[in-house]
Amino acid sequence: AQSVAQPEDQVNVAEGNPLTVKCTYSVSGNPYLFWYVQYPNRGLQFLLKYITGDNLVKGSYGFEAEFNKSQTSFHLKKPSALVSDSALYFCAVRDLIYNQGGKLIFGQGTELSVKP
Amino acid sequence: NAGVTQTPKFQVLKTGQSMTLQCAQDMNHEYMSWYRQDPGMGLRLIHYSVGAGITDQGEVPNGYNVSRSTTEDFPLRLLSAAPSQTSVYFCASSYLIRGGGYTFGSGTRLTVV
Repeated sequence: AQSVAQPEDQVNVAEGNPLTVKCTYSVSGNPYLFWYVQYPNRGLQFLLKYITGDNLVKGSYGFEAEFNKSQTSFHLKKPSALVSDSALYFCAVRDLIYNQGGKLIFGQGTELSVKP
Repeated sequence: NAGVTQTPKFQVLKTGQSMTLQCAQDMNHEYMSWYRQDPGMGLRLIHYSVGAGITDQGEVPNGYNVSRSTTEDFPLRLLSAAPSQTSVYFCASSYLIRGGGYTFGSGTRLTVV
């Protein structure tokens, strides 16, 4: 079965420093991986996805993620954190239904806190 | 383009009451799903649908029913609410392609007392 793990419940970063939010996955076949962000009392917003191609994926708000097949990881990164980046971040993998896209399986989420 | 619309945004129920959470999308997405979000547990899939007339259970379906009579609508029914169903509920939709991302509604915060 497909699964995603986010090993850190919380990540604390000072504003201006680089940030990394970790994600590892377990899938059969090629993974289709996603990152979503949730601001307080809001729905989830799409940040970026890896389907195929370049292992470094660029997304919204200056975020990027690095796909590493040998380490089965898809870590989210940003070179310089902003206070406004403070939010809950979810990594997810898309499962197959009828050989097409289907269920989105989420990690448990990582709370990112960026302090001034 | 409204995206995914969920109603109501907030609801308080008494144990044993029933209610329907509404979800509608205007993007002609084949795939629709309901998740519940609880602290420390991420998002767990309740039910999903790959098209009108087709629904299936997710990870935590007990206590919930769904139907999909049109492409646009995917209501979630609680037949007899229990305190364990206190949660935030999200509806999401997407095209039925593996690389497709989801569009989420803004959520319904449900409290069962």
